[in-house]
Amino acid sequence: GAGVSQTPSNKVTEKGKYVELRCDPISGHTALYWYRQSLGQGPEFLIYFQGTGAADDSGLPNDRFFAVRPEGSVSTLKIQRTERGDSAVYLCASSPRQGSYNEQFFGPGTRLTVL
Amino acid sequence: TQLLEQSPQFLSIQEGENLTVYCNSSSVFSSLQWYRQEPGEGPVLLVTVVTGGEVKKLKRLTFQFGDARKDSSLHITAAQPGDTGLYLCAGGRNTDKLIFGTGTRLQVFP
Repeated sequence: GAGVSQTPSNKVTEKGKYVELRCDPISGHTALYWYRQSLGQGPEFLIYFQGTGAADDSGLPNDRFFAVRPEGSVSTLKIQRTERGDSAVYLCASSPRQGSYNEQFFGPGTRLTVL
Repeated sequence: TQLLEQSPQFLSIQEGENLTVYCNSSSVFSSLQWYRQEPGEGPVLLVTVVTGGEVKKLKRLTFQFGDARKDSSLHITAAQPGDTGLYLCAGGRNTDKLIFGTGTRLQVFP
């Protein structure tokens, strides 16, 4: 079956622009997570959805970052007024049920470069 | 602030050698997972441990969760080039998000 997919795979933008990153989770997975991974580091939690609602958004760095999951499946991470420090790989993961002991299935990520 | 520190940060060894990667924290976790990540891909789960002192084996890989559930180790016996990758530990704490470690980049030469 299809795994988690993310589009685009690469995104280059200029400082100050708006970007949207898309995540298609595994069909039927109710939990969806966004992480950010800087070069040589482990992923850093951003936000978690259970169904359509954001259950925990404590990892979003500031109000330029926003994520939605309107129908409980596809999710979009939105970044306004991008800054060079936003450059990273943005990873999405889904899980069939909530609980941090459950396996999270990761997508390949979107590499964002802000010039 | 990274709550989970991994050591070593980099490891470069010859095929056939044994190695151990450590994941340490001053905080208690309810579960600990180990992932492996290859370039251009997302992390892939290797194992989950939930009980203090628990040991799990996966072929040549042995995982241990510390008695106090603050630390973990991953031991690889007779490493192979296919083991090359970024190894990540990740802790859970009765919430749904994972706290990832700093990562250990392993390179195994033939």
